Amino acid sequence: DADVTQTPRNRITKTGKRIMLECSQTKGHDRMYWYRQDPGLGLRLIYYSFDVKDINKGEISDGYSVSRQAQAKFSLSLESAIPNQTALYFCATSDPRQGASNQPQHFGDGTRLSIL
Amino acid sequence: DQQVKQNSPSLSVQEGRISILNCDYTNSMFDYFLWYKKYPAEGPTFLISISSIKDKNEDGRFTVFLNKSAKHLSLHIVPSQPGDSAVYFCAARNRDDKIIFGKGTRLHILP
Repeated sequence: DADVTQTPRNRITKTGKRIMLECSQTKGHDRMYWYRQDPGLGLRLIYYSFDVKDINKGEISDGYSVSRQAQAKFSLSLESAIPNQTALYFCATSDPRQGASNQPQHFGDGTRLSIL
Repeated sequence: DQQVKQNSPSLSVQEGRISILNCDYTNSMFDYFLWYKKYPAEGPTFLISISSIKDKNEDGRFTVFLNKSAKHLSLHIVPSQPGDSAVYFCAARNRDDKIIFGKGTRLHILP
């Protein structure tokens, strides 16, 4: 079983629709992150949460919102999807007690989102 | 402004030879540097890291070198194997624990 599970794995939807991407983890990590990957642009941070009551904007948060429902769950919403939000979305977790010298972030397998 | 730069979008190396992936950065406050590997349809997986106070870290076939004066790091894979074909992301950690990723380099290992 995957430690970081993203649902759905693929989604095609229309402009203006509300979309929610879900992430759940069994690692017991406090920190969770949402990234998007675009061709030629690497991974860019959308939002992150260091614990259940903590939500922070990343470098590209406009057009997105998040909810940390529990330590194990972190969802990303697109309130009104637009075509330039077509991308591959990754959720990740980390445990600050491990430090960067160990495996600092554990990624899910991604959600491929297409906005028509 | 890109704080972590991988200037080579792709690299092809013969199986058995050394693969060298390069990365430059601009922020002298980064305290850790990391390399991630990504296969298609999977999330990135952590490969190796190096603290900013060190200049070399080795783990099996993988070695990362850090040149702070040049703000440059490199990942050496030797010998290269077919399973090493993947996209490699260089990343750096800020003091506030955020990780900044480069754009990635696609490595092709040729038979």
